[in-house]
Amino acid sequence: QVQLQESGPGLVKPSETLSLTCTVSGGSISSYYWSWIRQPPGKGLELIGYIYYSGSTNYNPSLKSRVTISVDTSKNQFSLKLSSVTAADTAVYYCAGTLVSTIFLWGQGTMVTVSS
Amino acid sequence: QSALTQPPSASGSPGQSVTISCTGTSSDVGGYNYVSWYQHHPGKAPKLMIYEVSKRPSGVPDRFSGSKSGNTASLTVSGLQAEDEADYYCSSYAGSNNFDVVFGGGTKLTVL
Repeated sequence: QVQLQESGPGLVKPSETLSLTCTVSGGSISSYYWSWIRQPPGKGLELIGYIYYSGSTNYNPSLKSRVTISVDTSKNQFSLKLSSVTAADTAVYYCAGTLVSTIFLWGQGTMVTVSS
Repeated sequence: QSALTQPPSASGSPGQSVTISCTGTSSDVGGYNYVSWYQHHPGKAPKLMIYEVSKRPSGVPDRFSGSKSGNTASLTVSGLQAEDEADYYCSSYAGSNNFDVVFGGGTKLTVL
């Protein structure tokens, strides 16, 4: 059974870069498109972007200038970097496994707060 | 504001049926048969319950069913059980010009 686990700092200062990693266990990283999704407090879900194991990416246009998603197949991990963060980036961040717009796998989520 | 509209809450007694709606447009729900539903118990990983409008992943009870009519998709939970109390989110493919996936704002299902 494939499981996903997010890791990274829970507190990031404004203007700095948010960095999260998702570890894929129990399955192959070549099986899905790997996504990052977030949910700000009291708001809806937002797809940030996704990557295929080959390295091809697609980012939400609203975040594209600040987002980098990368994959490390040797470690079965993929990562998110979001630069120049503000309080509006405070959210629960989920990593996920996606196929044809369906999110088949979800991580438990990690809360990231942007505050000085 | 979410792209897809869900009622904020729904409720039913054990054993009853409840239907949650998810309304979009012809550019998302109405245009593609790629509507999904997710169950989320707070603090846990969300779980896929329905995909491609009405398909159930392995392990999801057949008490959960999905359908679509026009621009509105629906999730029906039959024979409500206490463990069904959770937040439910819908999503739909919205075409590559709309960055693929849009979500509903979520519905809190309460089992009375």
